[in-house]
Amino acid sequence: SQKIEQNSEALNIQEGKTATLTCNYTNYSPAYLQWYRQDPGRGPVFLLLIRENEKEKRKERLKVTFDTTLKQSLFHITASQPADSATYLCALEGGSQGNLIFGKGTKLSVKP
Amino acid sequence: NAGVTQTPKFQVLKTGQSMTLQCAQDMNHNSMYWYRQDPGMGLRLIYYSASEGTTDKGEVPNGYNVSRLNKREFSLRLESAAPSQTSVYFCASSVPAYALIAEQYFGPGTRLTVT
Repeated sequence: SQKIEQNSEALNIQEGKTATLTCNYTNYSPAYLQWYRQDPGRGPVFLLLIRENEKEKRKERLKVTFDTTLKQSLFHITASQPADSATYLCALEGGSQGNLIFGKGTKLSVKP
Repeated sequence: NAGVTQTPKFQVLKTGQSMTLQCAQDMNHNSMYWYRQDPGMGLRLIYYSASEGTTDKGEVPNGYNVSRLNKREFSLRLESAAPSQTSVYFCASSVPAYALIAEQYFGPGTRLTVT
């Protein structure tokens, strides 16, 4: 069955540094991958989508890469700020009707 | 636009009681979803509805039923609540079904405790 792993439960970095979060998957070849942000007590919020034929996608300080050979996506936040502290979820296309399979998330803490 | 709304925000039930979680979206989306989120387990799909009038099981449907009342509303019912159903429940919607690739929009969640 499909399996998706975010390799760290928690990541602590200093303000101004680049945060890099990893999402790995097995037993599957998704057509696309998405990243969401979730703040405590709130629902996830969509950030970026990258298709299988795209190597990289950028949005402001965010960058996502998608390596279908390695079966891995990297999510980067450059010049990180304390306001970037949240849990970040990756999600794969679930194979039918727009369904998504979510990873367990990585909790990012950016210290001033 | 309110986006995706859920009621109630919090609920405490006793084992065996029933309740319905309500969800509505005002974005004219065709697809709607119910997830539960538990510590260490991530988001798991309970049921989804690709369009008005259709519903399908997700990864963890046991103990739940759903109704797609109309295009806007998708409710989740617990007929006989069990402590294992203590969780945070999220409703989500996504753009029309003809868009094969679409992001999902989530509601604020319902925090349910079953004692």
